Parts: sequence; C-alpha cells; structure tokens
Amino acid sequence: EAGVAQSPRYKIIEKRQSVAFWCNPISGHATLYWYQQILGQGPKLLIQFQNNGVVDDSQLPKDRFSAERLKGVDSTLKIQPAKLEDSAVYLCASSLGRQQETQYFGPGTRLLVL
Amino acid sequence: SQKIEQNSEALNIQEGKTATLTCNYTNYSPAYLQWYRQDPGRGPVFLLLIRENEKEKRKERLKVTFDTTLKQSLFHITASQPADSATYLCALARNYQLIWGAGTKLIIKP
Repeated sequence: EAGVAQSPRYKIIEKRQSVAFWCNPISGHATLYWYQQILGQGPKLLIQFQNNGVVDDSQLPKDRFSAERLKGVDSTLKIQPAKLEDSAVYLCASSLGRQQETQYFGPGTRLLVL
Repeated sequence: SQKIEQNSEALNIQEGKTATLTCNYTNYSPAYLQWYRQDPGRGPVFLLLIRENEKEKRKERLKVTFDTTLKQSLFHITASQPADSATYLCALARNYQLIWGAGTKLIIKP
C-alpha cells in the first residue's frame, strides 16, 4: 500500500512570494490533515478535511493560507504572501475516517522563507 | 488551554537499558493518547494507542502506561538499541483531533 505522498520536499522562497504544497493521501482515506511543524515543536493542525469538506480550519491564518481538497482526494495548501515565520515543515496526514484514530503522515515539505 | 509537556532535553540511554519517556498534560481528559516516532526529515509514525480505561499497552519491546489521575503517560522501550534513536511524540485526542507534545529526543549509545 502506497503511503502519503507530498511534493515538493524542499522549497526556498523570499518573503512576500507565494508557494503551494501538494498532498496525495492513502487511497480510501476520507480524512486529510495539514500540519505545520516548527523546529523543536510538535505538529500544529492547520486544517482538517473530511472528504472534500472542511471540518476544522480554526488555526489556519486565513489572510495568507488557503487549502482545498477537490474531489475528496488530493489536496493543496497555499501560502500567499509568505512571511519569515512561515519557515517550517508542512506535514500532510490522512486517516480512514474522522473517528479512525491512527494518522499516517507523509514525509513533509520543508519551507524556508528568506 | 490544553497543555502537553514532554521532556525538552534529550534523553541519553546506554544500549540494552530501558528508556522511559514522560508525557504530562493539563486541563483535559482525553479519550485516548497516542505515541509516535519521528526521524529527522520524516513525518511521525504511529506506535501505540492507549485509551482512558486502559492502564497499560504493550507491543514487542514497547510499553505505554496511562494514569488519568496523574494526567500522565509513560512510554518505555526495553532492551533499547541504537536504531531506537529518534524523537518520540505524544498526542492527545480531543474532538477527533490530536493535540501534540513537542517530543523528546532519545539517543541510544552503543
């Protein structure tokens, strides 16, 4: 079974530029999560999808971050414009359903904003 | 607000000994708690889940305990090996979401 795929693996941009990350969850997983992990900290949930609907985006900085999950499969997370403090690893995870406890993570995208 | 504390300092353990990691939490009674392993440059990998009505869970060399009175979980690795070196994260369930600790870096010395 293929795992969660993410791309790109690394991205370096200058502040005020835009960037997009892509995630392909495990086949059949209805729930998809985007996390931000700053060095030395645990993952922080940005947005949670159930199929193609948003379950929780309370911690998503909506003035600059946006995410979508068209057709309930792949998802993209966008930052526009980026700030220095957005430098972090962006992790995508999926689970069978909202009540399925185990989350499966992709390798993450490491973003550096200069 | 919910607070989860894990040892911020790295834990150095001699190979073959038992490593014990601590996860303390406040202001919440989670339905379950999970432990994940994270290697550098990779996403977390699920290890064990323990529910509020369970005292202990085992999987091979891993053991987790959950004390809801103390609001604490302990994670043990017996007969530790250098390959066990990684950061270990605990996560508490709240409303079908996970709230994460910052993790403890474990270093197993040969």
